Amino acid sequence: GQQLNQSPQSMFIQEGEDVSMNCTSSSIFNTWLWYKQDPGEGPVLLIALYKAGELTSNGRLTAQFGITRKDSFLNISASIPSDVGIYFCAGQYPGGGADGLTFGKGTHLIIQP
Amino acid sequence: DAGVIQSPRHEVTEMGQEVTLRCKPISGHDYLFWYRQTMMRGLELLIYFNNNVPIDDSGMPEDRFSAKMPNASFSTLKIQPSEPRDSAVYFCASSWGHEQYFGPGTRLTVT
Repeated sequence: GQQLNQSPQSMFIQEGEDVSMNCTSSSIFNTWLWYKQDPGEGPVLLIALYKAGELTSNGRLTAQFGITRKDSFLNISASIPSDVGIYFCAGQYPGGGADGLTFGKGTHLIIQP
Repeated sequence: DAGVIQSPRHEVTEMGQEVTLRCKPISGHDYLFWYRQTMMRGLELLIYFNNNVPIDDSGMPEDRFSAKMPNASFSTLKIQPSEPRDSAVYFCASSWGHEQYFGPGTRLTVT
């Protein structure tokens, strides 16, 4: 199956810092999605990207669909305590339809006061 | 909108017992997915349905696992008999397009 490499695996940052994480694939994807999971909850969709080069923001979050269609990044500006959680990327490969969604292993974001 | 609803939120059972997890997808969504999440393996897709029909169950670990979707608003995932290695968080998700929306999950502990 398709493989996604998500990095970093974990991040320890100070409140107020900017955060950057990314996902890469050896295969082309048609869609990139970014999710956040809080402890004890299900993943929540943050941003969806559908076109190569697309840059989309959602408040302090910004995500981009890489030009090569093999990568995507998520940035969080001026982190706050409620940003703590696990962030997952997910990619949909050509021909995969609604079902062809591959998830990364997640980036654990920990914010130190 | 209530979102995807799962029950129970927590289940503790003894090895060998039957476990049934339940899911109500978002109204109007035509895809339903069952995932399992563990620390070691992350999120794994077990099975998914389109218009109540199972499309791909290749992720189901073994014959002890079965899933049904008798109508557009209800699905079950059953484990019989359960084993300690089945302990995990099980998520249901639904979608209309590419954007999948997850339920809160069921934390299953098999002792």
